[in-house]
Amino acid sequence: DGGITQSPKYLFRKEGQNVTLSCEQNLNHDAMYWYRQDPGQGLRLIYYSQIVNDFQKGDIAEGYSVSREKKESFPLTVTSAQKNPTAFYLCASSMGVLAGGADTQYFGPGTRLTVL
Amino acid sequence: AQSVTQLGSHVSVSEGALVLLRCNYSSSVPPYLFWYVQYPNQGLQLLLKYTSAATLVKGINGFEAEFKKSETSFHLTKPSAHMSDAAEYFCAVSEGLTGGGNKLTFGTGTQLKVEL
Repeated sequence: DGGITQSPKYLFRKEGQNVTLSCEQNLNHDAMYWYRQDPGQGLRLIYYSQIVNDFQKGDIAEGYSVSREKKESFPLTVTSAQKNPTAFYLCASSMGVLAGGADTQYFGPGTRLTVL
Repeated sequence: AQSVTQLGSHVSVSEGALVLLRCNYSSSVPPYLFWYVQYPNQGLQLLLKYTSAATLVKGINGFEAEFKKSETSFHLTKPSAHMSDAAEYFCAVSEGLTGGGNKLTFGTGTQLKVEL
């Protein structure tokens, strides 16, 4: 089955700790994205990557970091600098190269992070 | 900058009744528009997308949306609601990225409730 997996589904973290969320895709997509979802606010883009070893900040990158060492993997680290990290985090991927505005993003099942 | 407004954060319909979820967009270029559905604690699933091929777009699960440039709208409809349609629905406008992929700007979502 082709798709996007995110782990873990639920994550608890103490204040001051960094935590890494996993995102893997087997769709052979070039582009990958991380979103944060808060109640009543829709989804907001944290980071995106269009190709291996390259990534760009989205609208709310402060307090987050990413890496893209492999095409199929795009982990997100929530650092202690993120002031309000409790949220639902969604990873997505799309074909990317040359697809443009019509590119369809496919989403993973999400990770719910709670800071205690 | 692109933006999306979804009127009505909560919509309630009776089973078998028409579903109408409203979406208005703002874009300086011809837009690409998407509707996604999200069930509780899950990722987003694509319902349909507008890519300028036809103004009436048919999607999965009996949903369709009509692009109206003069009204800058892309409302989602379904002739007859089913209990399984209860979910949160997101409208998004897309902007192509140099280098591939796209940036989605989401509305704040509409929670659809279907009553017996």
